[in-house]
Amino acid sequence: DTAVSQTPKYLVTQMGNDKSIKCEQNLGHDTMYWYKQDSKKFLKIMFSYNNKELIINETVPNRFSPKSPDKAHLNLHINSLELGDSAVYFCASSHWTDNSPLHFGNGTRLTVT
Amino acid sequence: QKEVEQNSGPLSVPEGAIASLNCTYSDRGSQSFFWYRQYSGKSPELIMSIYSNGDKEDGRFTAQLNKASQYVSLLIRDSQPSDSATYLCAVNTGNQFYFGTGTSLTVIP
Repeated sequence: DTAVSQTPKYLVTQMGNDKSIKCEQNLGHDTMYWYKQDSKKFLKIMFSYNNKELIINETVPNRFSPKSPDKAHLNLHINSLELGDSAVYFCASSHWTDNSPLHFGNGTRLTVT
Repeated sequence: QKEVEQNSGPLSVPEGAIASLNCTYSDRGSQSFFWYRQYSGKSPELIMSIYSNGDKEDGRFTAQLNKASQYVSLLIRDSQPSDSATYLCAVNTGNQFYFGTGTSLTVIP
């Protein structure tokens, strides 16, 4: 099936650990994104990346780093996890045009204890 | 973070009524606008996109855009209990998508 898929679906870990979330899309899109959704359902953009440019939301701590081995994959690595990092993280993709909508993955619920 | 504001709700309407969801945005350079529906525990799914001033209809859904007023709305006609969800307004500015805080809609049978 054509889709944006991310793994794992759930991630429970302790403070201070390092973890990664993987994302893959087979929609042929050239741009991928990471969003964080807090408990109030607010979707905040963290990164966008196409094959030429990484755009970082300046409010994102540098403990978060995107890694893209190719245009179909954009992984999220998080160092030194903190309690406040607990949220649902969504990967998404689109074409690099103003009219192209976002297509979301199913989300990763991260719980830091 | 570009500002996208939605009426926070929660919004409750009886089954069969019209639900009206509103959204304003701060960046006049924004070119494309989207409405997403998100059920609890699920990912956002696209229900409408609109790019030019006026109305766009798709089934029971109508999106309205007024760029001069920096306003976009979503009307849901003949609301059904299955429409109960959080509705997210998204604005694309410079290939970055900014979301509102969402409006929770409950359709009462």
